[in-house]
Amino acid sequence: RKEVEQDPGPFNVPEGATVAFNCTYSNSASQSFFWYRQDCRKEPKLLMSVYSSGNEDGRFTAQLNRASQYISLLIRDSKLSDSATYLCVAQARNTGKLIFGQGTTLQVKP
Amino acid sequence: DTGVSQNPRHKITKRGQNVTFRCDPISEHNRLYWYRQTLGQGPEFLTYFQNEAQLEKSRLLSDRFSAERPKGSFSTLEIQRTEQGDSAMYLCASSRPGTSGGGNEQFFGPGTRLTVL
Repeated sequence: RKEVEQDPGPFNVPEGATVAFNCTYSNSASQSFFWYRQDCRKEPKLLMSVYSSGNEDGRFTAQLNRASQYISLLIRDSKLSDSATYLCVAQARNTGKLIFGQGTTLQVKP
Repeated sequence: DTGVSQNPRHKITKRGQNVTFRCDPISEHNRLYWYRQTLGQGPEFLTYFQNEAQLEKSRLLSDRFSAERPKGSFSTLEIQRTEQGDSAMYLCASSRPGTSGGGNEQFFGPGTRLTVL
């Protein structure tokens, strides 16, 4: 079993739709959690950090549930430019190494 | 450009050859990480340096792989006797240490795409 698991999709949605991605992690010792965005053949870039109290940045909302070891990302009012792969990431305590999920592919269509 | 840089961006080699990649982190970052990403998968951790000390190595890093960071600045990743299964994107990332010994945002370089024929 992978340490961070995501549904790879693809998720095909129309512009303006709301889409939600979920992810689970198995190592309860993980310290921090993030969503990274990766465009085709590019490096991953940090989208947002994830906290138990929730984190909102414009159209994006991320949530962490430590009890159920579950992480979510909600994208409202999808734009064509949101089309990418979204990587759920846990960060190890002490070393800071990142443990990535497989990634979820989003395709927003006009 | 003050971001993380990697060279070369692309490398095509024949099976059995040795290859070396270079990563130049953001200058004030003392942590440096190497990851490997294959098609359709998320990046996988390979190894981690804090300054010049290599503090963790993944089981993915077989004895054909070696990484160095001699002066605590740039790092090199060498693969000896390459195999077709080594074909992947090799990503380097750097960060400052976290405030409580944990993590901080990692900034990724553009990667080196290796193809082993």
